[in-house]
Amino acid sequence: GAGVSQSPSNKVTEKGKDVELRCDPISGHTALYWYRQRLGQGLEFLIYFQGNSAPDKSGLPSDRFSAERTGESVSTLTIQRTQQEDSAVYLCASSPSGRSLETQYFGPGTRLLVL
Amino acid sequence: DQQVKQNSPSLSVQEGRISILNCDYTNSMFDYFLWYKKYPAEGPTFLISISSIKDKNEDGRFTVFLNKSAKHLSLHIVPSQPGDSAVYFCAASEEGSQGNLIFGKGTKLSVKP
Repeated sequence: GAGVSQSPSNKVTEKGKDVELRCDPISGHTALYWYRQRLGQGLEFLIYFQGNSAPDKSGLPSDRFSAERTGESVSTLTIQRTQQEDSAVYLCASSPSGRSLETQYFGPGTRLLVL
Repeated sequence: DQQVKQNSPSLSVQEGRISILNCDYTNSMFDYFLWYKKYPAEGPTFLISISSIKDKNEDGRFTVFLNKSAKHLSLHIVPSQPGDSAVYFCAASEEGSQGNLIFGKGTKLSVKP
């Protein structure tokens, strides 16, 4: 597709369950970012992938969060033992090469609700 | 500790008038600034950007102004249209970083016909 896609668009889960969120970046984009937006807040950086380099995990809020990326394609964000404070919109973005003067293009997000 | 601040959570403007959205930042290492527009249930859409070597960038009805000494930027929309009603996020990235963006909390703009 032409843009960044994410699935599922909505996810409701029970506290303590694991969830997996998927992101398909724009074809050819080597950089991929995950952000989180909690209600009434701005977007919060979580993790960054650039080509085959080790990911920058500095934004992950706890060790319950992890993410993987296969080559320069799909990425999955996994949240283990979900908590109610994990409820947020999880947004994925990609950019051509991940340099600081580049525009990032966002997907529609996955709305996660932890009951 | 917020590095990017949008102090007005909302703004209401009459159609045809100018909308001015403001953003302040604290990190002097930021060298690239962007504005994103977000409709409900959609991801943010890139609107306009400016690098720190410039003080103005214009694209159609949208102009971004950067005042580095004041660590302040603003987005001007003129004339405002009802379709501009959305949440506007200011974002910045740091010189030499891998480009992860630091976002403000957003300003909800309502343009009334």
